[in-house]
Amino acid sequence: AQKVTQAQTEISVVEKEDVTLDCVYETRDTTYYLFWYKQPPSGELVFLIRRNSFDEQNEISGRYSWNFQKSTSSFNFTITASQVVDSAVYFCALSEPQYGNKLVFGAGTILRVKS
Amino acid sequence: GAGVSQSPSNKVTEKGKDVELRCDPISGHTALYWYRQSLGQGLEFLIYFQGNSAPDKSGLPSDRFSAERTGGSVSTLTIQRTQQEDSAVYLCASSLRRQGAAEQYFGPGTRLTVT
Repeated sequence: AQKVTQAQTEISVVEKEDVTLDCVYETRDTTYYLFWYKQPPSGELVFLIRRNSFDEQNEISGRYSWNFQKSTSSFNFTITASQVVDSAVYFCALSEPQYGNKLVFGAGTILRVKS
Repeated sequence: GAGVSQSPSNKVTEKGKDVELRCDPISGHTALYWYRQSLGQGLEFLIYFQGNSAPDKSGLPSDRFSAERTGGSVSTLTIQRTQQEDSAVYLCASSLRRQGAAEQYFGPGTRLTVT
């Protein structure tokens, strides 16, 4: 069964702090894809990253980095030197080709960055 | 280029009425998805269209829900005899069909309120 767990409901940090958002997934397939999306207060979901199950290389994009570990079924997201504009709800999601690549989302983590 | 557009942005309807929600995907995207976001259920998949293939309706919550996609482009989600539990934000997403899972790009959503 497909399942994504984001155990952190809400995180508050002060600007310039680093913050890590956790994501744990469950799947029986060997081929799958993991995603992170950002939902700012405006409401529109914004794509951040896609990672396939065969590529465990960590990725860095500016202040964002992702740590994919198949051994622990985790795909964590770190924001370095957080900014107020990072305040949003962040969703981790899983898809599997055999299910048409529909996204299964975690419950989301609300990130509040205070100045 | 233009992103995914949805209309109306807000819809208030009385219980028992039918509603139609529209989605215009990104030009050239062959895959189209409907999701809904509600406080109690989070983000959940509803239906998926890919080219001329039969749609994947596995996420539709009841037979009051239906969707069609005309000419491989615009899609309409119809909810008949609306109930208060149908109140949610209905999100449309589109993606390119390619090997593996392409990232999905989301529209701004339609906020449906059933009174």
